[in-house]
Amino acid sequence: EVQLAESGGGLVNPGGSLRLSCAASGFIFDNAWMSWVRQAPGKGLEWVGRIKSESYGGTIDYAPPVKGRFTISRDDSKYTLFLQMNSLKTEDTAVYYCTTDLNHSGDFDDWGQGTLVTVSS
Amino acid sequence: DIQMTQSPSSVSASVGDRVTITCRASQGISSWLAWYQQNPGKAPKLLIYGASSLQSGVPSRFSGSGSGTDFTLTISSLQPEDFATYYCQQANSFPLTFGQGTRLEIK
Repeated sequence: EVQLAESGGGLVNPGGSLRLSCAASGFIFDNAWMSWVRQAPGKGLEWVGRIKSESYGGTIDYAPPVKGRFTISRDDSKYTLFLQMNSLKTEDTAVYYCTTDLNHSGDFDDWGQGTLVTVSS
Repeated sequence: DIQMTQSPSSVSASVGDRVTITCRASQGISSWLAWYQQNPGKAPKLLIYGASSLQSGVPSRFSGSGSGTDFTLTISSLQPEDFATYYCQQANSFPLTFGQGTRLEIK
């Protein structure tokens, strides 16, 4: 059974930084493409970025609103995905979900429970 | 960016009803479309991928169709657990984008 557990969310001041982690189990993490998807309170879903597996070059793509501020990385030895968020803005306030793309098809097969990031002074 | 527009934004229906939700892409995306279900306070769940392929474990009352720019999600006979919000998502090109959601409510 695929399990994804996000952690690291919390309250941060505008301009601050936060690092999210996603611990994965139940599948071969090395082969998986992984994404972060977020959802602002009461709003819809927004894709944040994706990292391919190392066998596909580990290519990373970002959504325009976060490009240059957020960095996705992965540690395959620890089955863990990361999201480093810098220069945070109030509009980054959201629940952040870790997701899998096991078939490399661009959709999101499995989701974690999410972690809430609140950017406020 | 490819814009995804769902209709209706909300719909009321009864248990046993047949419901169809539409998703339109601002440009052609072939069959690179997925549908998700989200219950309040929960993570989304993948229902359909590749426009019409049913994700493992999803009941057969859910079906998807379409290609190009116009897509539909149909629930053939609504069950109590189906009252939720549904999102479409295009997987054709970056940035990956979602529809605004359709809230399915009990009549």
